[in-house]
Amino acid sequence: NAGVMQNPRHLVRRRGQEARLRCSPMKGHSHVYWYRQLPEEGLKFMVYLQKENIIDESGMPKERFSAEFPKEGPSILRIQQVVRGDSAAYFCASSPWGTGDQETQYFGPGTRLLVL
Amino acid sequence: AQTVTQSQPEMSVQEAETVTLSCTYDTSENNYYLFWYKQPPSRQMILVIRQEAYKQQNATENRFSVNFQKAAKSFSLKISDSQLGDTAMYFCAFMKPSRAPNTGNQFYFGTGTSLTVIP
Repeated sequence: NAGVMQNPRHLVRRRGQEARLRCSPMKGHSHVYWYRQLPEEGLKFMVYLQKENIIDESGMPKERFSAEFPKEGPSILRIQQVVRGDSAAYFCASSPWGTGDQETQYFGPGTRLLVL
Repeated sequence: AQTVTQSQPEMSVQEAETVTLSCTYDTSENNYYLFWYKQPPSRQMILVIRQEAYKQQNATENRFSVNFQKAAKSFSLKISDSQLGDTAMYFCAFMKPSRAPNTGNQFYFGTGTSLTVIP
């Protein structure tokens, strides 16, 4: 059973460009969480999605950031018109539901975004 | 709001020795979960151990064990027989289970403790 997959692992963008980060949850997991980790800090919650639904986006900036988890394919975190302050590591985590392990989140390797 | 505090930014331990990483949290919740995650230089976040707040027994996973003191809101991680591969950043995390349909399980992370195992 493959773990949570994220790509790309590293992404470099110039200010004003768009960044697309992809996350494929573990097989059998239908819940996806996105987190941002700034240097020297812990992870901060951004958004929680289930298939075709955004459940909780309370941690996501109101502008330029969006997320989706379509019926088919990976979850996408999209950052439009990136700025230098968006430089961070973005982690995706998935969890199952309806099992005894639904409280645990399994993390992907992260995408390091660098905005020049 | 929940907060998680890791007061030791950096620690080191000799190989084969035991080390304890501290974590405290603040919450008014009674039902919650606590986790320790490890982030090695590869930056992958790896689950080390988890504890349900309703369980009095401390969780253990091989060389890793916790000292969960619910009244004191303390959740320390003990690593026995430290190995070089234990060198990593360790994050303590508090999880409040979802109650409302429009919220997920909410995780709150500490700022981490950087552990170095010295050969």
